[in-house]
Amino acid sequence: DQQVKQNSPSLSVQEGRISILNCDYTNSMFDYFLWYKKYPAEGPTFLISISSIKDKNEDGRFTVFLNKSAKHLSLHIVPSQPGDSAVYFCAASGNSGGSNYKLTFGKGTLLTVNP
Amino acid sequence: DTEVTQTPKHLVMGMTNKKSLKCEQHMGHRAMYWYKQKAKKPPELMFVYSYEKLSINESVPSRFSPECPNSSLLNLHLHALQPEDSALYLCASTRAPNEEKLFFGSGTQLSVL
Repeated sequence: DQQVKQNSPSLSVQEGRISILNCDYTNSMFDYFLWYKKYPAEGPTFLISISSIKDKNEDGRFTVFLNKSAKHLSLHIVPSQPGDSAVYFCAASGNSGGSNYKLTFGKGTLLTVNP
Repeated sequence: DTEVTQTPKHLVMGMTNKKSLKCEQHMGHRAMYWYKQKAKKPPELMFVYSYEKLSINESVPSRFSPECPNSSLLNLHLHALQPEDSALYLCASTRAPNEEKLFFGSGTQLSVL
């Protein structure tokens, strides 16, 4: 059962336009969400996160929006640049009851920004 | 130093071989993780070490044996693997066990023949 879903395997946008990557989750216990970016042959790198007490977090060109009632979050990249071309993973966590938080990842969305 | 370093980057091994994957971080992080990632799939958690003690084993087969010699090093010993174990093996760390922000290494691409 996939608890974090990224339903678009790929997305293609033009340089300078907005990229919107979507993520849905099913577990209402999730209270912290992260986006990771992954280039080929590299490990994922942390991009931006949001706590469930917020509905928006912004960092430069990257903004994450959280809609708790819809169990949906999105990552906006404005303006998109060719260097943003990568696989983007959505991840979620909630207190598992122990001392470790376990991230649940989505399958990823391949973003291609065309010059 | 904000890196997690993994060696080797690539590894090809037979089903009867014994090999080890290594991971190192010098950020003072006290939790370290092994993830497995197959192509077009999300990373899957295998093991978690908190303060050098194994705290989570996600029902991983015993042919994978983790080891944490000290707070900076994490090994994954491999023995009698199967071709379906071929994947990208990612090491990660967090500042503390209850933090979500993982710092990943570049991974070891493993092929089992």
